[in-house]
Amino acid sequence: DTAVSQTPKYLVTQMGNDKSIKCEQNLGHDTMYWYKQDSKKFLKIMFSYNNKELIINETVPNRFSPKSPDKAHLNLHINSLELGDSAVYFCASSQRRQGTSEAFFGQGTRLTVV
Amino acid sequence: AQSVTQPDIHITVSEGASLELRCNYSYGATPYLFWYVQSPGQGLQLLLKYFSGDTLVQGIKGFEAEFKRSQSSFNLRKPSVHWSDAAEYFCAVGAGNNNDMRFGAGTRLTVKP
Repeated sequence: DTAVSQTPKYLVTQMGNDKSIKCEQNLGHDTMYWYKQDSKKFLKIMFSYNNKELIINETVPNRFSPKSPDKAHLNLHINSLELGDSAVYFCASSQRRQGTSEAFFGQGTRLTVV
Repeated sequence: AQSVTQPDIHITVSEGASLELRCNYSYGATPYLFWYVQSPGQGLQLLLKYFSGDTLVQGIKGFEAEFKRSQSSFNLRKPSVHWSDAAEYFCAVGAGNNNDMRFGAGTRLTVKP
């Protein structure tokens, strides 16, 4: 059973479209994240949710909107896609406790905007 | 905010040779430190972590890392590298109670036969 699963794994779309990436975790964790990995492999945190509450919201264009319907799901919706949005997007989860706990990552969604 | 520097973008070692990947962090208090590995086309897998206690931590796949507060470092080591260790390695630092984890730029490891 996959701990953190993302769908789709690959997404090719045209500029200007709106798309969503879904993420689900079955680890019982209370914190979920979205990270963006660019072509140089740099990983940048975008959002973090704890118990469905947004706790980290980095400087990300407001075309990106996370939605957490429950603790086990964190979806990422992207409006008006641009070429620069092409990247691999990783979902992750962790259990919040004193300090920072390790995150478990999904397999990633490779988004290509053409 | 915390930050991580991995000075080496790319390292090549021969199979069977020892390995050390460098990681320096910046954070005002006690950091929570992690090493992750990413194989091509895959997600990130945790190799090991340091929260407190013994400064030498053991991880999976024969890796270890040593926390040195005086040098703000958390270098990853392996005594004998296998061809399957070729991958991208990320050091990360967490701070505070909000699970805010920041990653270094990564070090790509190539293993020569």
